Amino acid sequence: KAGVTQTPRYLIKTRGQQVTLSCSPISGHRSVSWYQQTPGQGLQFLFEYFSETQRNKGNFPGRFSGRQFSNSRSEMNVSTLELGDSALYLCASSLEQGMYEQYFGPGTRLTVT
Amino acid sequence: GQQVMQIPQYQHVQEGEDFTTYCNSSTTLSNIQWYKQRPGGHPVFLIQLVKSGEVKKQKRLTFQFGEAKKNSSLHITATQTTDVGTYFCATADSNYQLIWGAGTKLIIKP
Repeated sequence: KAGVTQTPRYLIKTRGQQVTLSCSPISGHRSVSWYQQTPGQGLQFLFEYFSETQRNKGNFPGRFSGRQFSNSRSEMNVSTLELGDSALYLCASSLEQGMYEQYFGPGTRLTVT
Repeated sequence: GQQVMQIPQYQHVQEGEDFTTYCNSSTTLSNIQWYKQRPGGHPVFLIQLVKSGEVKKQKRLTFQFGEAKKNSSLHITATQTTDVGTYFCATADSNYQLIWGAGTKLIIKP
């Protein structure tokens, strides 16, 4: 079974631009979560999607948004990029909501200059 | 909201020494998961504990869930270089959102 895939793997953007990151979950998984990780920092929860609906949202500004499609694939968008948005963005999928193990993708490394 | 405090933030050990990381909560936890993130990698699920007082072992790793379900620990016996990384605990709140500990970074002294 294929793992979680994320595209692109690396991205360089300029301050003020916007970016869209993509995540394809493991086949059959219906929940997708997004995290931001900065060097030396833990996992900062962005949001979780389940059955195309945002179920939970972390403490991030409205510039961060996401969506999930009927095939469970998910995208996240960051508008008006700031230097502080430079981070590793991780996507994780799980079978259902709740205490199911999460399977992480390799992440997208975003650099904002 | 629910929080889990994970300590220590870092632990430096000589290869062959033991390592322990702890997750503590002021409220009862429904269950707890443990993940490992290798340097440059992504978190990988290790185990889930659900029962009060539960103890599970994976080779040199021992996972415990406290009797009151307010704390958990991960103990590694005789660390090896392959154990290097950051270990995270996580638990689900009432909205099924995973709440993560800050992680403990295991560093092997040269």
